[in-house]
Amino acid sequence: DAKTTQPTSMDCAEGRAANLPCNHSTISGNEYVYWYRQIHSQGPQYIIHGLKNNETNEMASLIITEDRKSSTLILPHATLRDTAVYYCIVRVPSGSARQLTFGSGTQLTVLP
Amino acid sequence: DVKVTQSSRYLVKRTGEKVFLECVQDMDHENMFWYRQDPGLGLRLIYFSYDVKMKEKGDIPEGYSVSREKKERFSLILESASTNQTSMYLCASSFRTSGVEVYEQYFGPGTRLTVT
Repeated sequence: DAKTTQPTSMDCAEGRAANLPCNHSTISGNEYVYWYRQIHSQGPQYIIHGLKNNETNEMASLIITEDRKSSTLILPHATLRDTAVYYCIVRVPSGSARQLTFGSGTQLTVLP
Repeated sequence: DVKVTQSSRYLVKRTGEKVFLECVQDMDHENMFWYRQDPGLGLRLIYFSYDVKMKEKGDIPEGYSVSREKKERFSLILESASTNQTSMYLCASSFRTSGVEVYEQYFGPGTRLTVT
């Protein structure tokens, strides 16, 4: 699985968009980008994934650069409940079960 | 909504005790996982199962065993609890399709186990 690099921490004002970057310069053609988050004392929560195209769901948008070497997770209107550690993971999906490998992630703090 | 539940949020056990952690998912997922999470070490896979009665070792299976008798239930067993097994234990499940799949894992709330 490709290595990812994320900032250690970020702040965002409540109601504003939170843009969380992730670098994955060694990503290979068949690797997907996944985002999870973990709110303090809870289990991780899946947010979104993508391969090449930008993706959007009810939680967030994922923007992947054309060369796929980096991506940005966008929470369009951050709330206090979005305060969490956000993990960017790059991996090949496979037919057999494989574990997720979480790096250190980005601690997002949404400020009132 | 996918729901993964774990039997306890907090558990305190004594050294040498046999400990059972239960996980149940309600989405008919084939895959189930047990992880432990420790500060500075991230998420580490203990065991996973891709079908009933099937199991495979993860990165740190020593001191643990698992049981999957029913599709929805995956149990983690600490045969003889030790203090270095004090940790947050997370169960997860995922859907599995034939061929190449893109799946997400759904996690339970976690069990914080303290072994004294």
